[in-house]
Amino acid sequence: QSALTQPRSVSGSPGQSVTISCTGTSSDVGGYHYVSWYQQHPGKVPKLMIYDVTKRPSGVPDRFSGSKSGNTASLTISGLQAEDEADYYCCSYAGSYTFVVFGGGTKLTVL
Amino acid sequence: QVQLVESGGGVVQPGGSLRLSCAASGFIFSVYGMHWVRQAPGKGLEWVAYIRNDGSNTYYADSVKGRFIISRDSSKNTLYLQMNSLRPEDTAVYYCAKDLPGYSYYVDVWGKGTTVTVSS
Repeated sequence: QSALTQPRSVSGSPGQSVTISCTGTSSDVGGYHYVSWYQQHPGKVPKLMIYDVTKRPSGVPDRFSGSKSGNTASLTISGLQAEDEADYYCCSYAGSYTFVVFGGGTKLTVL
Repeated sequence: QVQLVESGGGVVQPGGSLRLSCAASGFIFSVYGMHWVRQAPGKGLEWVAYIRNDGSNTYYADSVKGRFIISRDSSKNTLYLQMNSLRPEDTAVYYCAKDLPGYSYYVDVWGKGTTVTVSS
């Protein structure tokens, strides 16, 4: 069982928006501003999409945005495109003992 | 360009040991913290271990604490993961990964991974 809880799957049609949630506790997501999101296409290595809850690395489209409320972080993808179909993982700093934890991953299907 | 190349994976019996290596190039290795992250077949990502840029601090997931040791040799630009007392549930692709500049909790570059299979 993963430390952070994500829905197993979400779906949306091209052009629509989807939001993926990531629920943790006050010891990880809720306690720090260090939440990130990774995209992983089948057979590929993960790619950092969001860090520090809301920041995008250079090269990541602004269709991807992050937010957090309490113990739940969210990744929103607007203007869905076929190439967005992938697995998405949230990740959070969890203090100096646990350090980092991942969510179980969410499979995004673009219909 | 920045590159991470893992090696050392293979098939090992339960209770056995294995040492993974990760050769880094294209960046100043001694400046960045490094992670190991694994992914079991058909499963999600699991963070395994982290070592600070100067090796001063190391951190481990509870699932590997006391069995795995992360280390680095900046003279060889190489990261290591010594895995002891291996269990079938340690079977996974192991990725070596580099810190996002200025941050310890994020990864901006991943290796292609090396596969570890623990089976009798």
